[in-house]
Amino acid sequence: EPEVTQTPSHQVTQMGQEVILRCVPISNHLYFYWYRQILGQKVEFLVSFYNNEISEKSEIFDDQFSVERPDGSNFTLKIRSTKLEDSAMYFCASSEAAGVIYNSPLHFGNGTRLTVT
Amino acid sequence: GQQVMQIPQYQHVQEGEDFTTYCNSSTTLSNIQWYKQRPGGHPVFLIQLVKSGEVKKQKRLTFQFGEAKKNSSLHITATQTTDVGTYFCAGYADYKLSFGAGTTVTVRA
Repeated sequence: EPEVTQTPSHQVTQMGQEVILRCVPISNHLYFYWYRQILGQKVEFLVSFYNNEISEKSEIFDDQFSVERPDGSNFTLKIRSTKLEDSAMYFCASSEAAGVIYNSPLHFGNGTRLTVT
Repeated sequence: GQQVMQIPQYQHVQEGEDFTTYCNSSTTLSNIQWYKQRPGGHPVFLIQLVKSGEVKKQKRLTFQFGEAKKNSSLHITATQTTDVGTYFCAGYADYKLSFGAGTTVTVRA
């Protein structure tokens, strides 16, 4: 069964540094997402991406965050200047379709655990 | 903005017993999805409910969507150790899927 793959599985960085988290969504999926989960807490929506542009973003997704689909397969999340509170598990997800009423199930990757020291 | 609330946060269940987790949205939903996250894992899709009052079953799991499309429940019968994990509901509205805080289930053998 096709999977969403994320790299790296664990990233340690110093406060103020830039990080790029990488994802390869399922090949025939059109909608891509980033969620984060602080340890033991809920899964929080960051951003959704369709047709090479952001379709929705949350309050968490401020100017420090950006997403990009640099080629036909990768989908990246960049955090420009990391803060301690950015430490979390970051999940990439993709889905086939999303509309007003219906959206396909989200397929999640295994996540990247980001630790900011 | 849309908020999805889920209770209880934790559920400690004796093996063989039943339990229910509840999900409530502050706004009317287009649909609701349920996911399960095993310890150390990622959320895995279980089911989607779209119609008002819809009920779906997966073996020992029964999912229900409220008539007003603002609440949902997951009922598990005869809990097994394989049911351990966190169950999230996720409500879809305005092109955004918002997750509840999850119910973390532990099972006493």
